[in-house]
Amino acid sequence: ILNVEQSPQSLHVQEGDSTNFTCSFPSSNFYALHWYRWETAKSPEALFVMTLNGDEKKKGRISATLNTKEGYSYLYIKGSQPEDSATYLCANNAGNNRKLIWGLGTSLAVNP
Amino acid sequence: DVKVTQSSRYLVKRTGEKVFLECVQDMDHENMFWYRQDPGLGLRLIYFSYDVKMKEKGDIPEGYSVSREKKERFSLILESASTNQTSMYLCASGPGALNTEAFFGQGTRLTVV
Repeated sequence: ILNVEQSPQSLHVQEGDSTNFTCSFPSSNFYALHWYRWETAKSPEALFVMTLNGDEKKKGRISATLNTKEGYSYLYIKGSQPEDSATYLCANNAGNNRKLIWGLGTSLAVNP
Repeated sequence: DVKVTQSSRYLVKRTGEKVFLECVQDMDHENMFWYRQDPGLGLRLIYFSYDVKMKEKGDIPEGYSVSREKKERFSLILESASTNQTSMYLCASGPGALNTEAFFGQGTRLTVV
C-alpha cells in the first residue's frame, strides 16, 4: 500500500448500531496514525493519535486499534448516535517528517 | 481553549485577483499547514511551515505562495485566482513532532468567478 486508504467510503446505520471502519497505510517506516472526526460546518477534530503497534485507545463510545506490522487501524463506534454523523478521517505520518498523508474519509450517517 | 482562526468563512473573488487567506493560532505551535479539500480528493497539502520564515511545498503548491513572518500567523496567497482554485481551504497547526494532534481552523470556502 502506497497511500492511506479508508473503507467503506460511506456508511448508513441506525441509532444504536455499533459500527467500524478501516484505515490502511504503508507499514514501512511508520511513525504515527491519526484519526479525526469532521462534522459538517465544523473543523476537523482529533480523536486519537496512535504510535505503538497493538495500541488501543478509547474516548467514550469510540475506540481505535492499531496494527503497524500489517498497516491498518480500525475505528469502532459502539451504540451509534445521530451526533456521531460525520466524516472520519485517518492520516499517516511516516518517517518522522512533518507531513501527514490523508485518507479520503468514511462518511457516517446515523439515522434516528 | 486552543484556537486556530481563519480570517474568512466565505469568500468570493474574481478571476485574476490576488487573494490572501489568513490563519492565526494561539498555541505557540511550530508547524502550520494549508490544505484544500475537494469532493473525492480528500485533504491535499498546499504548503506548510515549520518555523518563522520557513516554508516547504506540499503536494499541490502551483498557483499558491505563503508567508510566515510571525510564529502565530500563516498566510496563503493566490497570486492570480483562477476558477480551478474554487475550494474549501483549511489551515491547521501543530507542535514540532507529528505524533501529537493537529488543530484545524473552521475553513474558508473560496469561490472564484
